Amino acid sequence: AQRVTQPEKLLSVFKGAPVELKCNYSYSGSPELFWYVQYSRQRLQLLLRHISRESIKGFTADLNKGETSFHLKKPFAQEEDSAMYYCALSDYGGSQGNLIFGKGTKLSVKP
Amino acid sequence: DTGVSQDPRHKITKRGQNVTFRCDPISEHNRLYWYRQTLGQGPEFLTYFQNEAQLEKSRLLSDRFSAERPKGSFSTLEIQRTEQGDSAMYLCASSLGSGNHGYTFGSGTRLTVV
Repeated sequence: AQRVTQPEKLLSVFKGAPVELKCNYSYSGSPELFWYVQYSRQRLQLLLRHISRESIKGFTADLNKGETSFHLKKPFAQEEDSAMYYCALSDYGGSQGNLIFGKGTKLSVKP
Repeated sequence: DTGVSQDPRHKITKRGQNVTFRCDPISEHNRLYWYRQTLGQGPEFLTYFQNEAQLEKSRLLSDRFSAERPKGSFSTLEIQRTEQGDSAMYLCASSLGSGNHGYTFGSGTRLTVV
């Protein structure tokens, strides 16, 4: 069964420290992976997609098919990065393209 | 176009009552999705439409739940005979095509069943 696992419910770092939000997935086909972010009192929004290989707000994520991981990284965390982060998986070649979300990791960046 | 709109933002209802939520997607988006999110969980897929056709329903969507998108524009999600376990945030999202450029989410409707 398709599944997304985010092992950390809460991650707390100091400003300027590196941050890595872990995401592992279980999927038999060719996955499409995403990171979504929800800032306080705002709606859920797309942060980045693995297919675009882009860096958004200093965040990057690399798809590692061997380890079935898609960890989100940023070298120097900022206070404004504090938010809920959700990893999501979609199957465009299979089911119909609905997103399967992990339970989320709350990132807290302390001054 | 101000994005995906959901109405109402909050709904408190007594157990056993019916409720209906509305979602207005981004106008050029042909796909519309409904998700449910409970405390400490990520959004869980309920159902989605491509234009007016409902193409997939999750097993989470019991017989008490029904969704429509009659003209391929706005959508409604109705819950009949609400139960306390239905209390959750109901999220709507839309996308153009398969969504490989991501989904655009609404702010959600928070349902509380008392």
